[in-house]
Order: sequence, then C-alpha cells, then structure tokens
Amino acid sequence: EVQVVESGGGLVQPGTSLRLSCTASGFIFDDHAMHWVRQAPGKGLEWVSGISWNSGVKGYADSVRGRFTISRDNAKNSVYLQMYSLRVEDTALYYCAKGKGNYYDSSVDYWGRGTLVTVSS
Amino acid sequence: DIQMTQSPSILPASVGDRVTITCRASQSISRWLAWYQQKPGKAPNLLIHEASTLEGGVPSRFSGSGSGTEFTLTINSLQPDDFATYYCQHYSSYSPVTFGGGTKVEIK
Repeated sequence: EVQVVESGGGLVQPGTSLRLSCTASGFIFDDHAMHWVRQAPGKGLEWVSGISWNSGVKGYADSVRGRFTISRDNAKNSVYLQMYSLRVEDTALYYCAKGKGNYYDSSVDYWGRGTLVTVSS
Repeated sequence: DIQMTQSPSILPASVGDRVTITCRASQSISRWLAWYQQKPGKAPNLLIHEASTLEGGVPSRFSGSGSGTEFTLTINSLQPDDFATYYCQHYSSYSPVTFGGGTKVEIK
C-alpha cells in the first residue's frame, strides 16, 4: 500500500524558516518524481514544487521561487521542502505527493494528508 | 506561465444529472492534463490523466476529453458520492505545473 506522510508544519513568524519532511513507502521511491502542493484555508490547490526521480530537475511556482528549496534523499525514501523568508500568504496545508512519472511534469497519483503551516505574528 | 481557467466555479446539480466541467489553457498543452476530485477535509484524488485516461478504480461514469487548450470532464448520471470540488491540472514540461481554480459540484 502506498503511503505518503508529511511532517514539520507549525506556527512560525513572518520572515522565519521552516523545513517540511515527507516519507513515502509502498512503491519504488527512486522511480518517481515527488511534488509539494499547498492549499490555503478555503482556497484551491496550488502546486509549489516538484523534483525528478534523481534530483536532476527541480521546479518551483513563481510565488516561492528563490525562497523555497526542494530536495530528496532516495536512501531514506524522503523528500523535503526548505522554506525561507516565510510570508503570511504562505499559510496553507502542505501536501506531499507522488508523481506518476520520473519527472515532475506528471500527474499526481498519491497524496499525503498534509501538514499545516501557519505564518503569523 | 500557462494559466488554467475552469468553468463554472460552482455547478448546482441533481443526482442522475450529466454534468460537464470545462478547463481552458492559456496556450496549448497537448494532452498533458489531469482531473482531480477533492472532498472536504480530504486530499485530492486523481481521476483522469493525459486528458482522457481513467485512473484505476475510478468509476466509468467519469470521462475526460480534449486536447490543445480546451478540455472537459464529464460525469454521467451523477451519484451522491460525486458532490465534491474538481480541479484540472496541467503538467507540461515547458511551464510550471498549475491547477485550475476548481469547480464545486453542489446539490441543486
């Protein structure tokens, strides 16, 4: 059974940093791209970032490029999202998700339950 | 970047109805489009990828069509379990992945 579990969310002040982690199981992790997708309270889905199977290709939404960094450790079946210079508008439920393909230009077929990030003073 | 525009944003419907949701891309994305269903408090669920390929386990009353810039998700004979919010997503390699704004299918 495929499982994706996020952790690391919390309440932080604007301008600070936070690192999200995601651990996956039930599939061959290093065969698949991984994504982070967020959803602000009461709003729609926003793709944040994606990383290819071998970390060779990474992509970011314009809203986070230069502030967020995605990485993965295939030996640990894990993907990470390092978030810097957090803003109030980054407040959202952050989902980690498995891509169907090797590269992040793929649909997403399994999602975690999300970890909540709240940016507030 | 490619923008995805969904319509309508809210779709009142009744059980048994045939409903259609449209997603338009700001430029051609070939068939690199997926559809997701999301229920309140839950993660999204992949319904369709590559515009018309039904994901395993998804009921056959769901279907997708289109290519280029215009796509549709059709639900034939709407069931009580289908009242939810639906999102399209493009995933072409030459532009960041983006989602449409969502369509809430609600009880009429």
